[in-house]
Amino acid sequence: EDQVTQSPEALRLQEGESSSLNCSYTVSGLRGLFWYRQDPGKGPEFLFTLYSAGEEKEKERLKATLTKKESFLHITAPKPEDSATYLCAVPMKNQAGTALIFGKGTTLSVSS
Amino acid sequence: KAGVTQTPRYLIKTRGQQVTLSCSPISGHRSVSWYQQTPGQGLQFLFEYFSETQRNKGNFPGRFSGRQFSNSRSEMNVSTLELGDSALYLCASSPRDSNSPLHFGNGTRLTVT
Repeated sequence: EDQVTQSPEALRLQEGESSSLNCSYTVSGLRGLFWYRQDPGKGPEFLFTLYSAGEEKEKERLKATLTKKESFLHITAPKPEDSATYLCAVPMKNQAGTALIFGKGTTLSVSS
Repeated sequence: KAGVTQTPRYLIKTRGQQVTLSCSPISGHRSVSWYQQTPGQGLQFLFEYFSETQRNKGNFPGRFSGRQFSNSRSEMNVSTLELGDSALYLCASSPRDSNSPLHFGNGTRLTVT
C-alpha cells in the first residue's frame, strides 16, 4: 500500500542544535516529493520539491535530500523562528486519479 | 499576487446542519484541491477540481461535496454535520495538477457542537 511516514512526531532542539527530520515513502514511480512548513493557525507553506534520488535543495537553514526510499530535511543551526510543523507529501494514485498525500508531520520546537 | 483566500475563517455549527465553505484560488490557477486536517489523522484529501470538473475524490462519505465555477473559485459543502466533522478545512490551488506544488489558504476552522 502506498504511504508516507514521518519521524519523529515531535522534536525539541536548542537554538543552534542541528538535526534532521525523516520522511519515508512507499510508492511506485515517484513523481516528486514535496516539503511544507505549517505554522499554527495557518495553511501549509510550500518549501521544496525533489524529483529524483540524489537531488538536494536548500533554503536558508534548511536542506532537503532525497533517496529512493526516503527524504530528509536537515536543519542547520536552527533558530526559534524555525519552530513549526514540517510536512512531506507525495503524489499517489487512488481509484479516481492522483492526489498529493501528506505524512502526519514533525512538530519542531526550537528554544533559545 | 494574492494568495489563496478561504472564507469564512471560523464557523460554529450544530449537528445535523449543513455548511458551505468558499475558496478563491491564486489568479491563473485552474486546479483546486480540498483537504481536511485533524490532530489525529493529519491532512486528508477530499477532492480536486479542474476546469469545473471533479478530477479526483478521496475516501469521504457522500455528505462531502464540492463544485468549481468558471472563474476557478470553488465551494465545498458538508451536509448533515457530525461531531467528527470538526476540523480545519484547507483549500489549495495549483496551475495544473497534483504533481505541481499546491499553494494553500489558511483554512476554515469548523466546529460542530
